[in-house]
Amino acid sequence: LAKTTQPISMDSYEGQEVNITCSHNNIATNDYITWYQQFPSQGPRFIIQGYKTKVTNEVASLFIPADRKSSTLSLPRVSLSDTAVYYCLVGATQTGANNLFFGTGTRLTVIP
Amino acid sequence: DTGVSQDPRHKITKRGQNVTFRCDPISEHNRLYWYRQTLGQGPEFLTYFQNEAQLEKSRLLSDRFSAERPKGSFSTLEIQRTEQGDSAMYLCASSLAVGVNSPLHFGNGTRLTVT
Repeated sequence: LAKTTQPISMDSYEGQEVNITCSHNNIATNDYITWYQQFPSQGPRFIIQGYKTKVTNEVASLFIPADRKSSTLSLPRVSLSDTAVYYCLVGATQTGANNLFFGTGTRLTVIP
Repeated sequence: DTGVSQDPRHKITKRGQNVTFRCDPISEHNRLYWYRQTLGQGPEFLTYFQNEAQLEKSRLLSDRFSAERPKGSFSTLEIQRTEQGDSAMYLCASSLAVGVNSPLHFGNGTRLTVT
């Protein structure tokens, strides 16, 4: 089971770039790295997913080094609405669901 | 895409009562998951269906919990003889069974309070 380690919390000012790093030392060959965002009283929302190198979409970038033992979610120019909990998951839904371990996530607070 | 729908959004029940929650996944998604989340913690996996078959159950899922997905579409999660420790947010998610890793799409959950 590829468990993950993330900072418990982070603060950032509006307009800054935020980087949240996740450690996953025992990632398996078939595992993907997926990030979710969760607001209070809502279910988690998919942000971005990657296997290696760099992935970018309209809301975030995901950087994965060659050894894949960590990953960094990058949020450009955060706003107050980005205040949420961010979860890093490592696993592959094709190999089941028990390996999708959420952990406690990183609580990001964006300050005006 | 109407998203994953869960009903009810909130449920208050007395200890010892049975409760049932419903989840309607995204229509073309053949995988359905149930998670439980308590305050300050990430979601914990409970069980998972592919079509109507229940393929995995967590060790967290006691005998008082049962889930069904009778026609491979909506699913129900029943908790019998509720206990105060069952108070949590129950989340449903769905995904497509294609490719190596299909992201999960979550509903907004059913918040259960056992008094």
